[in-house]
Amino acid sequence: SAVISQKPSRDICQRGTSLTIQCQVDSQVTMMFWYRQQPGQSLTLIATANQGSEATYESGFVIDKFPISRPNLTFSTLTVSNMSPEDSSIYLCSVDRVNVLTFGAGSRLTVL
Amino acid sequence: GENVEQHPSTLSVQEGDSAVIKCTYSDSASNYFPWYKQELGKRPQLIIDIRSNVGEKKDQRIAVTLNKTAKHFSLHITETQPEDSAVYFCAASIFGSGGSNYKLTFGKGTLLTVNP
Repeated sequence: SAVISQKPSRDICQRGTSLTIQCQVDSQVTMMFWYRQQPGQSLTLIATANQGSEATYESGFVIDKFPISRPNLTFSTLTVSNMSPEDSSIYLCSVDRVNVLTFGAGSRLTVL
Repeated sequence: GENVEQHPSTLSVQEGDSAVIKCTYSDSASNYFPWYKQELGKRPQLIIDIRSNVGEKKDQRIAVTLNKTAKHFSLHITETQPEDSAVYFCAASIFGSGGSNYKLTFGKGTLLTVNP
C-alpha cells in the first residue's frame, strides 16, 4: 500500500492565522485528495489536487480558504487560511493506490 | 449529489456475536462501495469493498452485501473480537475512468464496541 507522510501531525493555532499541511507520497500519483474530519464526525472531501492544474473544490469549500498546491506527482500542500475555531479538525491527505483510496495519518489542527 | 445514510450510530455486542451495519445511498449511478475501519487516533483503513456487479463479497469474518434495487449495502462481522472495536464508515462513489474516481461520500460512521 502507499506510504503517505503528512506534516505536521498536530498543531495548535491562533485564530486568524494560516497553516500549511504537507503531504508526501512514496511514488507518483495522478490525483491526491484532501479530506476533513471534524471531531467525532465523518470524512468530507475538500478538494482533488491534480499536478499541473487547479485543484477541484467540493461544494462548501473555496480556494481562498483552502488553497492547494501540487508542484509534482508526489507532493501536495493544503493551507487552512484565516483560521477560526470551526476549522479545528483532522485534515487527511489520500491517494489512489491499486484502486484503493489510502489515507495519510492526518494532521490534527486545534484553533484557539 | 450523493447522500449516504448509515445506521446504527453506535453498536455494542458481546465477543463472539455478529455485528451488522447498514447503509443506504441516493445516487443510482454509484457503483463502488468501500468500508473503512478507523481505530481511535488512527487513519481510516479499507477493510472490504464491493462493486455493483456483485451482490456479496466475503473476506474471512467480514462480508458485505449489496442490494442495488433498494440502494442499500451492509457490513457483516461474525465472531466479533475486542480488536474489532472501532468506528466503521461506509462510502459510495461512481468508479470509472476520469476524475470522478474516489470522490467518496461517507456515511456518518458507526462506533462498534465489542465487550469481552
